[in-house]
Amino acid sequence: GENVEQHPSTLSVQEGDSAVIKCTYSDSASNYFPWYKQELGKRPQLIIDIRSNVGEKKDQRIAVTLNKTAKHFSLHITETQPEDSAVYFCAAPTVNDMRFGAGTRLTVKP
Amino acid sequence: DTEVTQTPKHLVMGMTNKKSLKCEQHMGHRAMYWYKQKAKKPPELMFVYSYEKLSINESVPSRFSPECPNSSLLNLHLHALQPEDSALYLCASSQAPGASTDTQYFGPGTRLTVL
Repeated sequence: GENVEQHPSTLSVQEGDSAVIKCTYSDSASNYFPWYKQELGKRPQLIIDIRSNVGEKKDQRIAVTLNKTAKHFSLHITETQPEDSAVYFCAAPTVNDMRFGAGTRLTVKP
Repeated sequence: DTEVTQTPKHLVMGMTNKKSLKCEQHMGHRAMYWYKQKAKKPPELMFVYSYEKLSINESVPSRFSPECPNSSLLNLHLHALQPEDSALYLCASSQAPGASTDTQYFGPGTRLTVL
């Protein structure tokens, strides 16, 4: 089955700095890679996703890059703000499974 | 309506109780999911319904029993649970069956405590 590894487990940045979270996956059949943000006590919310026919996707301060050859994808947040503080999960769904990475707790210090 | 709703928000039950969790979506999605999330852990897939039929059961104990009465509703029936079953139970839905390329939208979850 799919194995998704996510790093780092915790990340602390100063407001205005950039944050990068990386994930690797094992199943070469995976072709869709969503990122979810989960604030304390709330539901996971999709913030950006990428499909395997593109290498990069950007939405304002958030971008995701994908390297299918190396089987890794990354979330980039620029100009971080305190409200970006949350746990971020990557995922690499397959037809029969939905595996999440272990999560990254991002703290943005004002 | 682009939302998945879940009831109740919180549930406390004893090990001998029978209770049910409910999930509803009106986005016309044909796939619905149950996840279990423990504190500081990612969601773990429990069940997948595709066109109202159970398509995936991730070796979940029989004390958890899912039901999909129609394309908008998903229930999770609970019976004889253990304290280690205490967790946040999340429902999700997606437009088409198969998790490979389809965005899943999550409900707010039911926080379950088993005494």
